[in-house]
Amino acid sequence: KAGVTQTPRYLIKTRGQQVTLSCSPISGHRSVSWYQQTPGQGLQFLFEYFSETQRNKGNFPGRFSGRQFSNSRSEMNVSTLELGDSALYLCASSYEGATSYEQYFGPGTRLTVT
Amino acid sequence: SQQGEEDPQALSIQEGENATMNCSYKTSINNLQWYRQNSGRGLVHLILIRSNEREKHSGRLRVTLDTSKKSSSLLITASRAADTASYFCATAFNDYKLSFGAGTTVTVRA
Repeated sequence: KAGVTQTPRYLIKTRGQQVTLSCSPISGHRSVSWYQQTPGQGLQFLFEYFSETQRNKGNFPGRFSGRQFSNSRSEMNVSTLELGDSALYLCASSYEGATSYEQYFGPGTRLTVT
Repeated sequence: SQQGEEDPQALSIQEGENATMNCSYKTSINNLQWYRQNSGRGLVHLILIRSNEREKHSGRLRVTLDTSKKSSSLLITASRAADTASYFCATAFNDYKLSFGAGTTVTVRA
């Protein structure tokens, strides 16, 4: 099976812009989660989607949003970018969610905000 | 805030030696998962241990879970240079998310 893919792999944006990141899960996986990784805060949960429904959301401002499509592919959007949004954004897919199953992570999208 | 806390923060060992790292957490869990990350890349799942399990093995990896002490340990036996990475424990409750610790950085010297 192909693994989790994320596009783009690298992105440079300026403050105030917005960005959309994409994630394609492993075939058959219906749960997609997003995490932000920074040196200071470590790995922080953003949100989780299952069958197009958001089941949980982390402690991030409303500038961070996401969605999931009927084919389980997911996108996350960050509007009005701030310097502190520079991070590695990781997408993970799972059969039904982390509560019961392991998650498979993609390679990540490295976002740099200047 | 991060639920899991790994100890030690960093570990340096000789090839062939064993590496042990510990994880403590604060609340009850459904399962605890260990992941490996090489140089800022994506995380690789190693082992998932459920709250009703006490020990699991996978190749050179051994994980224990003590729910009474809210702690887990990961043992890597006969380490290799390729084991050089950061190792994270992550806990899962009934909320569909993983809560990660800060990680243990393991360096295996040749």
